[in-house]
Amino acid sequence: DTGVSQDPRHKITKRGQNVTFRCDPISEHNRLYWYRQTLGQGPEFLTYFQNEAQLEKSRLLSDRFSAERPKGSFSTLEIQRTEQGDSAMYLCASIGLLNTGELFFGEGSRLTVL
Amino acid sequence: AQSVAQPEDQVNVAEGNPLTVKCTYSVSGNPYLFWYVQYPNRGLQFLLKYITGDNLVKGSYGFEAEFNKSQTSFHLKKPSALVSDSALYFCAVRDGPHSNYQLIWGAGTKLIIKP
Repeated sequence: DTGVSQDPRHKITKRGQNVTFRCDPISEHNRLYWYRQTLGQGPEFLTYFQNEAQLEKSRLLSDRFSAERPKGSFSTLEIQRTEQGDSAMYLCASIGLLNTGELFFGEGSRLTVL
Repeated sequence: AQSVAQPEDQVNVAEGNPLTVKCTYSVSGNPYLFWYVQYPNRGLQFLLKYITGDNLVKGSYGFEAEFNKSQTSFHLKKPSALVSDSALYFCAVRDGPHSNYQLIWGAGTKLIIKP
């Protein structure tokens, strides 16, 4: 257990529905990352936060995707009007200021869009 | 452009034999290099990293990796494989301390250890 928790672990939804994932990072970590991973592939960067500020977003993050970290602690990733191509594992990771680069990952939230 | 290559999609090793999972990288500055392991339907677990210093770094579960600057490689090794080492392994690189902690990931190598 790395200390990063994600909820839910699994989500099955119908196309067109909205889904929201939550990530609770390690408490003293100020940087938080969201990645997407499809089967057999490496993680693809989506976005990251330093405290409550969203500092970078990937071009992969379409208008249907939004992420927040309102108080600089937990974060949410919302996907609106889901499409079958959104089916993937959504991974959250965190890192502290003094850390030399080791990301701590949660167990991921697996999304299946029917 | 920054990149990471893991040239083998899959590596098969008999239990008890040494294993090597290959990784080469390309960055413009000094590389910060990482190995992660992923078990089915789980998140990624950190194994080891190279930032500076000794080229041979030791990590979790008996794994080690050797940084080779001239060959721009960071191969993962273990002297004696266990069946429980079977998993997906990812190499990642960061371009030194001035990046935004963004990691560039390899595509992963599936390691299969046969009893």
